[in-house]
Amino acid sequence: SYVLTQPPSVSVAPGKTARITCGGNNIGSKSVHWYQQKPGQAPVLVIYYDSDRPSGIPERFSGSNSGNTATLTISRVEAGDEADYYCQVWDSSSIFGGGTKLTVL
Amino acid sequence: EVQLVESGGGLVQPGGSLRLSCAASGFTFSDHYMDWVRQAPGKGLEWVGRTRNKANSYTTEYAASVKGRFTISRDDSKNSLYLQMNSLKTEDTAVYYCARGTNGEDDAFDIWGQGTMVTVSS
Repeated sequence: SYVLTQPPSVSVAPGKTARITCGGNNIGSKSVHWYQQKPGQAPVLVIYYDSDRPSGIPERFSGSNSGNTATLTISRVEAGDEADYYCQVWDSSSIFGGGTKLTVL
Repeated sequence: EVQLVESGGGLVQPGGSLRLSCAASGFTFSDHYMDWVRQAPGKGLEWVGRTRNKANSYTTEYAASVKGRFTISRDDSKNSLYLQMNSLKTEDTAVYYCARGTNGEDDAFDIWGQGTMVTVSS
């Protein structure tokens, strides 16, 4: 079955750029979606179809997907961005990555 | 306001059954694919299954871990989604979220409920 690999944790200083990767075999041929989940809350869609942003999501959030890696980029990181981030694709069924905890230093 | 509200969670013994509900409001429920996603305590997200819309014959898909034990259904007249869970196992313990699909086979889940906790324990 298809596997998505995310780093367990990423740390970044406020105002800097965070990059969270999602690795999968030829993931560039699939559509990747990204979710943000804060403690005790439901996930929120932040990027869909690789790089589209839902209304209400800041322009600081962007996505890319090529080859074997998809990347969620958060520019000018703020304390409020601290959360778990999950990537998701479809491959006969819906697959989620293991999640990445973003820590803002 | 677009909203999904789950209910029906609780404590159940291994081997037991439970039915979760998800009430939708603020959008045309009948147009959308609807999914269930769960999250075990301290763990990541796991897709449970989906029901397509009427235009796609209400067909369903399930994760291998629940196939044959869980059944997803919907009642468009009541704007409601259901998850019937039978033969429950301790590993089914999780928060269960209903989520709205954006109507493609490889779509994202753009609206989520707040979740309902299911605990399977003796």
